Amino acid sequence: DIQMTQSPSTLSASVGDRVTITCRASQSISSWLAWYQQKPGKAPKLLIYKASSLESGVPSRFSGSGSGTEFTLTISSLQPDDFATYYCQQYNSYSEITFGQGTRLEIK
Amino acid sequence: EVQLVESGGGLVQPGGSLRLSCAASGFTVSSNYMSWVRQAPGKGLEWVSVIYSGGSTYYADSVKGRFTISRDNSKNTLYLQMNSLRAEDTAVYYCARVSAAMDVWGKGTTVTVSS
Repeated sequence: DIQMTQSPSTLSASVGDRVTITCRASQSISSWLAWYQQKPGKAPKLLIYKASSLESGVPSRFSGSGSGTEFTLTISSLQPDDFATYYCQQYNSYSEITFGQGTRLEIK
Repeated sequence: EVQLVESGGGLVQPGGSLRLSCAASGFTVSSNYMSWVRQAPGKGLEWVSVIYSGGSTYYADSVKGRFTISRDNSKNTLYLQMNSLRAEDTAVYYCARVSAAMDVWGKGTTVTVSS
């Protein structure tokens, strides 16, 4: 099984900050990585797919990078609506999808 | 409008069964990969199962042999039959369309396994 490890688990930041969340895969997944945002009581929302492709309708302050085993999600200038939990997900094989444990982004 | 609506959750005793439904609108379930993902209270997301457009099915080890994913093309609906339920299956269950990634999600249905 491919394990996904996110860091940090919790991130405290202020509006306007640039923040980066890292996701590491236990083996190479090429670019088959997605990022999701989830707010309390809501379903996850797709932000980034194929490591760096921005989902339609997602603000351009969100960006993704990486390939192989190391990936990052960057928010260039935090907005109040961005405080949420973020998950990475590998889909190197759709028959064995795994998520990272999540990163909670909180207001400093 | 592209939409997924789950139903069928509820309270069930350990060892019991439940069938979740996920009704799709705005797209065709059978033409897409479809998946179930769950989230235990206060925990992260856990992939449960996927059904390919061709009909192949796959499961997480934690549910293999107990859960069955299926679809009814005439109703444009995805299902998850859950048998031999355990306390650790308690979660919100989401269905999702798998396109480039999971691009469309339902709001979820809650399953509680407790005596």
